[in-house]
Parts: sequence; structure tokens; C-alpha cells
Amino acid sequence: NAGVTQTPKFRVLKTGQSMTLLCAQDMNHEYMYWYRQDPGMGLRLIHYSVGEGTTAKGEVPDGYNVSRLKKQNFLLGLESAAPSQTSVYFCASSYFALAGPRSTQYFGPGTRLTVL
Amino acid sequence: AQKITQTQPGMFVQEKEAVTLDCTYDTSDPSYGLFWYKQPSSGEMIFLIYQGSYDQQNATEGRYSLNFQKARKSANLVISASQLGDSAMYFCAMSPSDDKIIFGKGTRLHILP
Repeated sequence: NAGVTQTPKFRVLKTGQSMTLLCAQDMNHEYMYWYRQDPGMGLRLIHYSVGEGTTAKGEVPDGYNVSRLKKQNFLLGLESAAPSQTSVYFCASSYFALAGPRSTQYFGPGTRLTVL
Repeated sequence: AQKITQTQPGMFVQEKEAVTLDCTYDTSDPSYGLFWYKQPSSGEMIFLIYQGSYDQQNATEGRYSLNFQKARKSANLVISASQLGDSAMYFCAMSPSDDKIIFGKGTRLHILP
């Protein structure tokens, strides 16, 4: 039981390059989330999914796209990377999202992305 | 507007003392959940404790307890008998009535030997 895993752990991109971050969970969670964490900014929600085949925008969606083709996977794409996207990216998942202990989000280890 | 406020950007506490990390929240939803997460220097986000808005008793998990004062809209984390390994960033979070969790900006806790 690995919980939430993220691939890759580190990546350096040049401006304009594209990449995909993969998040996988083995807890049969319905909800999955992508956050970015910048110094002094806390966690900001990029996109999220309430189930297989669904996606929705969060607080800072611009410059990112997501897909949830399988329940256990949630992909985050950067089509044309910019230095402002240098950040640590976290994926999280939960059973539900409404109030209740099953709304607890469990996080992956994070991906440190640098865009030069 | 739904909001989480952590007013202590940093704290220094002597080892073995108890620690209280402050968290206040704002929501008009009658049902909500409150969480605390720990982020050590290694970077991972670790879930610590959950409190439901209708729970009658304060949540406890080992050395962690949540001092929930609903009327004051506060959900302070109490760590008893602090240890050096408790040094980390701590985030308070709330799940209101929609699909998301709102996080505070965090408090960095330093435990001194």
C-alpha cells in the first residue's frame, strides 16, 4: 500500500518546454487534487477532480491542464513552462470532500520543479 | 468569505514544553471539518488530526489535541511534551461545503534543545 505517489521527484525545464506530472493513489479515493507551494504562500489549489473523467479549476489554474482518465491517476500538464511555474507541486487525494473525517486529504511526497 | 488565519509565522519553544499553535477560521457553513498538517524540512505533508464541527469532544491523537472553540471559530493545535522532531511547518485547514480544503499560510515551529 503505497498511498499517494508522484513522478518525478525533481525536474528542471527550460522556458517553453512541456512536461507532465503523474500522481497515483492506491486508496480508491474519489477526489484528487493538485497544489503548488511557494515560499510564504502556503498551498494553492491548481486543479482538482471529483471522480474519474472529471476535472475542475482551482485557485491558480492558468498555464496548467489536467486529466483523470483512470480513477487512480491524476495528471498535471504544463504545455509551455514559464519561470513563474517554478514551485513544489503536491498531489493529494481523499474519499470525499464534504465535512467529515473521510474528507481528509493524503498527500504525495511532492515534485520540485525548476523552470529556467 | 471562507478563510483560515494562522497569526504566528514562527515560534520557538523549549523541548518538553507544551505548544499551542493558533488557528482561526471563517465560514458560514453549519457543517465543516478542521485539519492540521505537519510539514517537516523533508517536505512531505503529514496529516495529524481532524475535528468535525458537530463533534462534541475535542479531537486527540497521541500527543496532539485540537482545542476547538466553535463560538470563537478557533481550532488551536496543542502538542504536549514537545520533542526535537516536532520542529516543522504546521498548517491548519478547513473543509467547508464545497469540494475543496482551504489552507492557512502555516506556522513554523522550532523546538529548542
